[in-house]
Amino acid sequence: DQQVKQNSPSLSVQEGRISILNCDYTNSMFDYFLWYKKYPAEGPTFLISISSIKDKNEDGRFTVFLNKSAKHLSLHIVPSQPGDSAVYFCAASVGGGADGLTFGKGTHLIIQP
Amino acid sequence: GAGVSQTPSNKVTEKGKYVELRCDPISGHTALYWYRQSLGQGPEFLIYFQGTGAADDSGLPNDRFFAVRPEGSVSTLKIQRTERGDSAVYLCASSLWAGTYNEQFFGPGTRLTVL
Repeated sequence: DQQVKQNSPSLSVQEGRISILNCDYTNSMFDYFLWYKKYPAEGPTFLISISSIKDKNEDGRFTVFLNKSAKHLSLHIVPSQPGDSAVYFCAASVGGGADGLTFGKGTHLIIQP
Repeated sequence: GAGVSQTPSNKVTEKGKYVELRCDPISGHTALYWYRQSLGQGPEFLIYFQGTGAADDSGLPNDRFFAVRPEGSVSTLKIQRTERGDSAVYLCASSLWAGTYNEQFFGPGTRLTVL
């Protein structure tokens, strides 16, 4: 069973607009959530994270929101830039990330000029 | 500084053969993780090391898979009697230590193809 779900395989957004990527999880023991970005033929690159004691974390153009009651998190990218075109993975962990991460299947974000 | 490196970048083998995949973590990182990514899926956790010992190997799919990290730095993932279903990209990651809220840094992966 998929404990971390990214239900949108792809998302197309115009340059300059906001990109919103969504992620749902089922395991209530998850207490640390991360977003990774992946370009073809490269390994995933860490983007931003949030612990379960917070509901928002911001870093430049990237903001992650966590809704624990809904078991839902989202990544907002504002404004979207061509270089943001990549596959974005949502990941979660029990124990603050010390153990292995559980990943979703990813969302392919395409920024249109 | 140098990131996580993995060799080879590509490996093609025949069903039934033995393969070894190598991971060089970032210098000074004590925690090392192996993941497997199949086509259309996210990375799937296999095993992680804190130092030389395997702290959690619950993700290894069966006893054909084994990993070592004898000196607490380089790690080797070993797959015996390979099967076509083992074809995937094998990713390695390292972090400063397996502690709270430490980011995992990923290597580029080894693409394994079993014919």
